[in-house]
Amino acid sequence: DAGVIQSPRHEVTEMGQEVTLRCKPISGHNSLFWYRQTMMRGLELLIYFNNNVPIDDSGMPEDRFSAKMPNASFSTLKIQPSEPRDSAVYFCASSRGRDEYFGPGTRLTVL
Amino acid sequence: GDSVTQMEGPVTLSEEAFLTINCTYTATGYPSLFWYVQYPGEGLQLLLKATKADDKGSNKGFEATYRKETTSFHLEKGSVQVSDSAVYFCALKSQGGSEKLVFGKGMKLTVNP
Repeated sequence: DAGVIQSPRHEVTEMGQEVTLRCKPISGHNSLFWYRQTMMRGLELLIYFNNNVPIDDSGMPEDRFSAKMPNASFSTLKIQPSEPRDSAVYFCASSRGRDEYFGPGTRLTVL
Repeated sequence: GDSVTQMEGPVTLSEEAFLTINCTYTATGYPSLFWYVQYPGEGLQLLLKATKADDKGSNKGFEATYRKETTSFHLEKGSVQVSDSAVYFCALKSQGGSEKLVFGKGMKLTVNP
């Protein structure tokens, strides 16, 4: 099993640009989670999907952030336009049942 | 709502020292409890879990016991190694409710040789 796959692993962009982060969950998992981790705020849940349907997006910081899950094997988190305060490590996780498995994360730097 | 409170550290120990990281929770019913570990530059990994009162989770020499009476899930290891240097997160998932994990703030552990 390859685990949760995220791409890119590192992204450096300039303020105002669109950023798209990608996630492939573990095959057979029916829940997918997007988290953001910063030194100041720790680990924050942004949004989660169950069977490809967004269930709770209360953690999405503002309208600049959007997430989609068009099928069971792929999800994207988009930031448009990006701002320096969006700089963080973004994790995707998936689960089937109680245990969540995390991807390696995408380190985003917005200049 | 549900919440997790844990020691935040940072903590520095010498190799072979005893480790305890305290974790208490607030939740209704019987949540499932977890410890996750994050090594430098990596994502979180499930270290151990317990799903009902008095269960003991264990892995890699770490242990934690689900104590309903004290609403606690303290992590212990009898002899830490340099390779245990990481950030440790306590978390819960509500019984029969939201699929969301509720995390503590994490505790950074450094083990020196």
